[in-house]
Amino acid sequence: GIQVEQSPPDLILQEGANSTLRCNFSDSVNNLQWFHQNPWGQLINLFYIPSGTKQNGRLSATTVATERYSLLYISSSQTTDSGVYFCAVESQAGTALIFGKGTTLSVSS
Amino acid sequence: KAGVTQTPRYLIKTRGQQVTLSCSPISGHRSVSWYQQTPGQGLQFLFEYFSETQRNKGNFPGRFSGRQFSNSRSEMNVSTLELGDSALYLCASSFTRGTANYNEQFFGPGTRLTVL
Repeated sequence: GIQVEQSPPDLILQEGANSTLRCNFSDSVNNLQWFHQNPWGQLINLFYIPSGTKQNGRLSATTVATERYSLLYISSSQTTDSGVYFCAVESQAGTALIFGKGTTLSVSS
Repeated sequence: KAGVTQTPRYLIKTRGQQVTLSCSPISGHRSVSWYQQTPGQGLQFLFEYFSETQRNKGNFPGRFSGRQFSNSRSEMNVSTLELGDSALYLCASSFTRGTANYNEQFFGPGTRLTVL
């Protein structure tokens, strides 16, 4: 089945720094989503981005479907950005989301 | 519009018991999917229901089952609980537009199941 790899696994930043999270996937996908998991476990939708570039405030994402990767940019990070960021893809064969192992971001003041 | 809701939020059971978890999707969403999250295995897909029919199934034993009602609400059941079933169970809903490949999924807060 399709493989999803996220890097780096852990990231430690000072408040105000910028960061780039990467998601590689092994096959063509129908859909790609980025999530932020809050401390209580809920997955918060950040981007639905099977291709192209989107921006939402300090966050932006780019997916290059032909090269099978997606990037999540966080600018001017804040302590509230801390948590686990997941990339998930839906293969062309089905409707299930396949998740990467996540990137754990820690932002300190 | 209200988000995806899940009940109960926390549950403690003992080995051998069974458990039923409930999920109410976003109004108008017809697809409901279930996922299990554990520290060791991460987030794994259990199954998906659409219009009361199981449309897709992950690689889990038959002890895990589900169903969907006519109002799109869904339940999942785990029988003969094992210690390894302790996990966060997440439900997601999506509005599948016909044949278009649009399937953004929105997640509920989850049910944290502890098996003793």
